[in-house]
Amino acid sequence: QVQLQESGPGLVKPSQTLSLTCTVSGGSISSGSYYWSWIRQPAGKGLEWIGRIYTSGSTNYNPSLKSRVTISVDTSKNQFSLKLSSVTAADTAVYYCARGYSYGYSFDYWGQGTLVTVSS
Amino acid sequence: QSALTQPASVSGSPGQSITISCTGTSSDVGGYNYVSWYQQHPGKAPKLMIYEVSNRPSGVSNRFSGSKSGNTASLTISGLQAEDEADYYCSSYTSSSTPYVVFGGGTKLTVL
Repeated sequence: QVQLQESGPGLVKPSQTLSLTCTVSGGSISSGSYYWSWIRQPAGKGLEWIGRIYTSGSTNYNPSLKSRVTISVDTSKNQFSLKLSSVTAADTAVYYCARGYSYGYSFDYWGQGTLVTVSS
Repeated sequence: QSALTQPASVSGSPGQSITISCTGTSSDVGGYNYVSWYQQHPGKAPKLMIYEVSNRPSGVSNRFSGSKSGNTASLTISGLQAEDEADYYCSSYTSSSTPYVVFGGGTKLTVL
């Protein structure tokens, strides 16, 4: 059974960089034709796809966040990571990592989510 | 404002059937068969219920079904049960200068 777990600071100051890591267990991040995505959800609001990475290292990002997002993968640690720069209060949300199935457009396994608050 | 439009809420009684709509454009829902549906209970991560418009992942009840007509996709839940009460989100691949995924704003299902 594949499991995903997000980790990283729960509090980030405005203008700084948010950094999160997702650790995958129960299977190799390199096996199969899967994409690995980050998705976020502000409190009481809907889901927003941030971006994804394939194990080859190729990435796709949400155009609305593209200038501030970097997603990377470390296959030796079975992890992938998110960096979001120049954060503001609008970036406060629960951040989920997820496995992308069906060419990466459906998400069949999700982490439990981690709340990141942007505040001074 | 979300890229895909869903009703804010729907309700039904136990045993009844309900349908949740998800309206997009020819650049997303109408143009590709990559529509998915997710169920989210409070404080929990979303769960994939339907992928590629009408396919159910292993373990998902056959009371859940998906379909699409033009730019509108639909999720139907038959034989409503109390545990179906949750938020439901649709998503779709969307064509752009770069491929990405858009979500609907979510629909709160209340089982009366």
